[in-house]
Amino acid sequence: EAQVTQNPRYLITVTGKKLTVTCSQNMNHEYMSWYRQDPGLGLRQIYYSMNVEVTDKGDVPEGYKVSRKEKRNFPLILESPSPNQTSLYFCASSTGLMHGTGELFFGEGSRLTVL
Amino acid sequence: GQQLNQSPQSMFIQEGEDVSMNCTSSSIFNTWLWYKQEPGEGPVLLIALYKAGELTSNGRLTAQFGITRKDSFLNISASIPSDVGIYFCAAGANAGNNRKLIWGLGTSLAVNP
Repeated sequence: EAQVTQNPRYLITVTGKKLTVTCSQNMNHEYMSWYRQDPGLGLRQIYYSMNVEVTDKGDVPEGYKVSRKEKRNFPLILESPSPNQTSLYFCASSTGLMHGTGELFFGEGSRLTVL
Repeated sequence: GQQLNQSPQSMFIQEGEDVSMNCTSSSIFNTWLWYKQEPGEGPVLLIALYKAGELTSNGRLTAQFGITRKDSFLNISASIPSDVGIYFCAAGANAGNNRKLIWGLGTSLAVNP
């Protein structure tokens, strides 16, 4: 089954404790992206990757890091989480071909709470 | 960042009614997309539009790419309870390279059985 898998789905942590949210896709997609969703603010892009070893900032990259060492994986790293990073996070991927980068497949989301 | 103007913000309708929602922008886009998000899940692509004036259907859903390339609408006919969710529009500026989509804030739809 074609899917984007995120882990963990739920996490409560404390300020400053480094954490990683993993994302893996099994569709051989070139393009991957991270979004955060907050009430009243919609979906905001954090980082995206057009292919292996190619990453770029989205609209709200501060406080986050990403890496793309393999095509299927795109982890989101919070080096020193703060309460304003409490949010619902989504990983998404697409083929990256002619029209494909808009046709995103989303994971089920990771709800993060930073105390 | 740039955002699309999506309206209405929320809708509460009776089962069987038709629904219409739209997105507008002051900028021109080459791609318009509509996604649906159900509670506890990630958004799912409903319809993708790539040509100005294009009208595309997916079951009871119909979407159009505005002729000015600055807007799009989504219609749902004969709504049913499983239509409940948040509907998002998204638009891409660069044909063939929509690396950064612009998103609307969503239309929350509730359907009374």
